Formats: sequence, structure tokens, C-alpha cells
Amino acid sequence: DTGVSQDPRHKITKRGQNVTFRCDPISEHNRLYWYRQTLGQGPEFLTYFQNEAQLEKSRLLSDRFSAERPKGSFSTLEIQRTEQGDSAMYLCASSLGLHTDTQYFGPGTRLTVL
Amino acid sequence: GENVEQHPSTLSVQEGDSAVIKCTYSDSASNYFPWYKQELGKRPQLIIDIRSNVGEKKDQRIAVTLNKTAKHFSLHITETQPEDSAVYFCAARGRGNTPLVFGKGTRLSVIA
Repeated sequence: DTGVSQDPRHKITKRGQNVTFRCDPISEHNRLYWYRQTLGQGPEFLTYFQNEAQLEKSRLLSDRFSAERPKGSFSTLEIQRTEQGDSAMYLCASSLGLHTDTQYFGPGTRLTVL
Repeated sequence: GENVEQHPSTLSVQEGDSAVIKCTYSDSASNYFPWYKQELGKRPQLIIDIRSNVGEKKDQRIAVTLNKTAKHFSLHITETQPEDSAVYFCAARGRGNTPLVFGKGTRLSVIA
């Protein structure tokens, strides 16, 4: 499978715990995006990387959220001190990053905070 | 920033009929408009996209039209089939590297 992959697919945690998600983009895709999707809503942008540089962060991304893409390949999204409001599907997408910026999504990580 | 409105939120059609979903955007500088299909429990999948230098694009039973003056774009699905049932999202991206802004989605049900 050469598409975007995410791990884990599901995560259940207790409020206050830290969680980390991983995204592996399509090979040679320079841009990597993180989105959050709640029930009945479209994906909401969180942050994106051009290679290893984090170029933009949404106001949705509180200081409890941090994302990295250390080698310009896979990325991690960490949520510290999780809250029930963090429960959502976290989607990763990647694109070539050239003039054509078609984004391809991963299957997502569904987070449930109890 | 960009704001995307999508209508209707739900749409039911008989198999074989056409379905139309409409989106409006606020930023006149937006230049890229993709449509994604998301089946229950699955990832959003790109079905068609259009750039601001064209007014219409077609791919088999799916077409997208763009009216830059009115700042709206529409998805047209002809000869609908039960497997077209899903949630459809429109999105818009401003000039440069601004991120995609998505609509809230349209749940399409095709009744056999």
C-alpha cells in the first residue's frame, strides 16, 4: 500500500493522559497536513509541514498540541493532558507540494478521551 | 480568512437521477477547489478538483462548475448509483500555500 498511513487507527485514553499519533505520507510528498474532524463536520486544518519545517499552525492548535516532522518523512502529533473535547478523528494528508497541491488523506486516528 | 458554506446538508435522490451540491466561498483570491467523498468510517477521497482558470471540469458521471464572479462552485453527479451514497465535502484554498478550508459536508443517499 503506497497511500498515506496512520497509526494507531483507534486510541482510547483517560482525561489528562498524553497521546501520540504517527503519520507516514506518500513517498516523496513534501507537504504533510494534520486535520481534525468531528462528527458531522468537515476536516479542520491544524498544521502543516513543508519537508521538516512547520509552516503554519491553526488557532485550533492549543499549546497542548505539538507536531513534528524531524526528517521530512513521517510526522507525529502529540496531545498532552488530553481533554474530552479532544475526542475526534485526526486525519493526516500529504501532497507533492508543487504547483499541484492535491492532498491525499490517510485513514485517520480516532481518539476517544474518557 | 476563507469561509466555505455547503448546501444542502442532506440530499436523497432516486437511483438514476442527478444530484447537485453547491458551495460558496468568501475569499476571491481562492484558486483551487477540490471535492472529496467520504464513506462511513473511511478516509476522504478526492473525486474531482478544479482550478480558478477553468469554469468546468468533467470526469465520467461527475462534473464540477465554478463561477468566480459569484464565488460559488457546484458538484454534479449524473445517473446516480447506490454506491454514490456517502458524505461529500467541498473545499477551497486561497492563493499561495494557505490550507484547505472545508465545507460541513452533504450526506447523499441514493435510493434504489
